[in-house]
Amino acid sequence: AQKITQTQPGMFVQEKEAVTLDCTYDTSDQSYGLFWYKQPSSGEMIFLIYQGSYDEQNATEGRYSLNFQKARKSANLVISASQLGDSAMYFCAMREGMNRDDKIIFGKGTRLHILP
Amino acid sequence: DSGVTQTPKHLITATGQRVTLRCSPRSGDLSVYWYQQSLDQGLQFLIQYYNGEERAKGNILERFSAQQFPDLHSELNLSSLELGDSALYFCASSEGPLVGHKIGYTFGSGTRLTVV
Repeated sequence: AQKITQTQPGMFVQEKEAVTLDCTYDTSDQSYGLFWYKQPSSGEMIFLIYQGSYDEQNATEGRYSLNFQKARKSANLVISASQLGDSAMYFCAMREGMNRDDKIIFGKGTRLHILP
Repeated sequence: DSGVTQTPKHLITATGQRVTLRCSPRSGDLSVYWYQQSLDQGLQFLIQYYNGEERAKGNILERFSAQQFPDLHSELNLSSLELGDSALYFCASSEGPLVGHKIGYTFGSGTRLTVV
């Protein structure tokens, strides 16, 4: 079974609008971490934001915020005031366990297109 | 520059051949992870090394092998190559097993392998 599910293969959003990228996850662990990565067309993987399973507040990093709904096992990424440079592939990922060394599992990604 | 160096950046080879991908982790990082990203797919975890020892294995084919050397650089060996092995291969590194894990891995820029 897939551990990370991203149901939106692609999205088109008008510049300056907010966008929500969906992510659901599956784990029986109580301790885990959730990540979002951005992959622009150049190919590199860029870390955006992290949410720990015990964190009570939703994580925020600049224009990025993570809408964490633990009971629903949902970890959606919200990008406020989208910019043309936000056009990229976005991956949701999970690390089971709190050990920094544990492997991270990635979803299949959502390709985001920002329209001028 | 993320600090993780992967060489070569591009590789074109014929079916049946063997190639070696190289990764130098970020200074101070002891763990190295290898991922495969095929077309329109998320990142598939292949294998992890920590300080020279294999720590975790994912869906790595028997035709693939890896090692981490005393200087902590790692090599991923792909043999009897098939067309389906064409992909972007990422190396990532982290400090190792620590609690305090809010940062994801640091990724290299990847090696794009094309098998013809």
